[in-house]
Amino acid sequence: GQNIDQPTEMTATEGAIVQINCTYQTSGFNGLFWYQQHAGEAPTFLSYNVLDGLEEKGRFSSFLSRSKGYSYLLLKELQMKDSASYLCAVDTDKLIFGTGTRLQVFP
Amino acid sequence: GAVVSQHPSRVICKSGTSVKIECRSLDFQATTMFWYRQFPKQSLMLMATSNEGSKATYEQGVEKDKFLINHASLTLSTLTVTSAHPEDSSFYICSASTGTSGRTSSYNEQFFGPGTRLTVL
Repeated sequence: GQNIDQPTEMTATEGAIVQINCTYQTSGFNGLFWYQQHAGEAPTFLSYNVLDGLEEKGRFSSFLSRSKGYSYLLLKELQMKDSASYLCAVDTDKLIFGTGTRLQVFP
Repeated sequence: GAVVSQHPSRVICKSGTSVKIECRSLDFQATTMFWYRQFPKQSLMLMATSNEGSKATYEQGVEKDKFLINHASLTLSTLTVTSAHPEDSSFYICSASTGTSGRTSSYNEQFFGPGTRLTVL
């Protein structure tokens, strides 16, 4: 079966760093996506990892370990507008989404 | 960047009626379009994959006679929810890709539409 796990909710304060973990067990793996989704809106692309290691993009970084079936999204210098759900999705020839992590950033 | 639109953004209908949702890729040709459904506080669930000019491929548990998908051109796919019932109330999101046969990769990223909130009374 396909299984992608993320924490349901996280909270953090403005200016802090937060790490959102994702573990997966899927039949097939072509890469892993992270998306941001604000309530009632479509997901927007944040990052894509296909090889092990860290991909950095401004305040956001994403890490992948294929042998461990593990990824994380690191958000630095948190801003209020970062309050959203963060979706981990594995590409298995189609996208399988995790349940998402709702992040709340407090002042 | 690539833009995908959906219409309508919100629709409220009576039980038993049919609702059509349009998904358009505005500035690129999408060989593949995907339809997802998202219930409150849940993640996106793929309903079907459609390639232009061919029949859609439905995921297990999705009734193809209830959720009719047409992908008649490289920029337009439609999802028709036939004889809608309250349990069909959900957020429907489409995405478009330049890939083929539903394969995604860093080169064939999926671009998501803004979603359609369907409420069936």
